[in-house]
Amino acid sequence: GAGVSQSPSNKVTEKGKDVELRCDPISGHTALYWYRQSLGQGLEFLIYFQGNSAPDKSGLPSDRFSAERTGGSVSTLTIQRTQQEDSAVYLCASSALAGGPLWETQYFGPGTRLLVL
Amino acid sequence: GQQVMQIPQYQHVQEGEDFTTYCNSSTTLSNIQWYKQRPGGHPVFLIQLVKSGEVKKQKRLTFQFGEAKKNSSLHITATQTTDVGTYFCAGPGGGNKLTFGTGTQLKVEL
Repeated sequence: GAGVSQSPSNKVTEKGKDVELRCDPISGHTALYWYRQSLGQGLEFLIYFQGNSAPDKSGLPSDRFSAERTGGSVSTLTIQRTQQEDSAVYLCASSALAGGPLWETQYFGPGTRLLVL
Repeated sequence: GQQVMQIPQYQHVQEGEDFTTYCNSSTTLSNIQWYKQRPGGHPVFLIQLVKSGEVKKQKRLTFQFGEAKKNSSLHITATQTTDVGTYFCAGPGGGNKLTFGTGTQLKVEL
């Protein structure tokens, strides 16, 4: 079956512009995560969606960042008024079950490489 | 908040040498996962450990969960060039999310 897909794969934008990044999780997965990874760095948690519950937005670095998930499936991460420090790879992951003593595997998409000039 | 540190940050080995990365959490973990990220790629799940003192093996890879469930290790025997990449541990970080470790980047030279 298809894995997690993300689009675009690469995005170059000018400082101050808004960008939208898309994530299509694995069909049937109820949990969806967004991470940011700067070059050579670890994974920075941004936001988490689980079913119809309110999202966990605790990792969003500023109010320029927002995300939504429509119909419990596709998710869009929006960055408004982009800054050069927003340049990074934005990774989306989905899992079938979140929480509880046995965490389900997170399946990552290929990421969107964002470059803000 | 919870912190998950890994050491070393970088490791260069000659092909055939062994490699170990260590993962340390500031809090007790209910379980720990390991992921591998190839250069230019995305993290891929390797394994999950749940029990105190648990040891699991995947071919040349040996994973261990500490008795206190605050640390873990990944050992690779006789490294190969295909082992190149960054290895991340990850544990429940409160709420419903994973906290990923800082990662260990492995380079294997012929």
